[in-house]
Amino acid sequence: EVQLVESGGGLVQPGGSLRLSCAASGFTFSTHYMDWVRQAPGKGLEWVGRIRNKANSYTTEYAASVKGRFTISRDDSKNSLYLQMNSLKTEDTAVYYCARRYDSSADGFDIWGQGTTVTVSS
Amino acid sequence: DIQLTQSPSFLSASVGDRVTITCRASQGISSYLAWYQQKPGKAPKFLIYAASTLQSGVPSRFSGSGSGTEFTLTISSLQPEDFATYYCQRLNSYPLTFGGGTKVEIK
Repeated sequence: EVQLVESGGGLVQPGGSLRLSCAASGFTFSTHYMDWVRQAPGKGLEWVGRIRNKANSYTTEYAASVKGRFTISRDDSKNSLYLQMNSLKTEDTAVYYCARRYDSSADGFDIWGQGTTVTVSS
Repeated sequence: DIQLTQSPSFLSASVGDRVTITCRASQGISSYLAWYQQKPGKAPKFLIYAASTLQSGVPSRFSGSGSGTEFTLTISSLQPEDFATYYCQRLNSYPLTFGGGTKVEIK
């Protein structure tokens, strides 16, 4: 079964750090671009960032709201995706989803994890 | 950045109704648009890519059209399981912005 499972969410104080993980299974993880998307309570979807595959040098893109604070990485040997979040703000409170880019010819996110909740509060 | 505006933000419809949701881009994005369905407490579901191509396994009552700046998602005959929030997303350049969402509720 093709699956993404996030972990690592929790309660953190403003200014703190947290690292989210996303474990992939059932597909060739190394060939896909991977993304993070978040959803604040009661709000819409917000794209957070993307990491490309090895063939594209693992380069990354970020939303302006997280650039310089968040870092996306991956370990293809572990079929895992990561989101390192530093200098967290209350407005980073959200459910964080990892998602798989469909394929190189048609962008869009065809597989999503169940989400992990991050709460930034003192 | 290119913005996406969905309309309406909320609609009330009955089972069997034909429903159309519009997504407008502030600049042309060719056909680089996807649609998703999200139910409460669940992850989004991929419905349509490249503006009009139905993802495998998605019922044929869903269809997408448009290019450039105006796009539509149509549900030809609304079913009970279709009551959800729908989002468009542009994929032509970064950031990969989502529209604000359209909540479809039971009339």
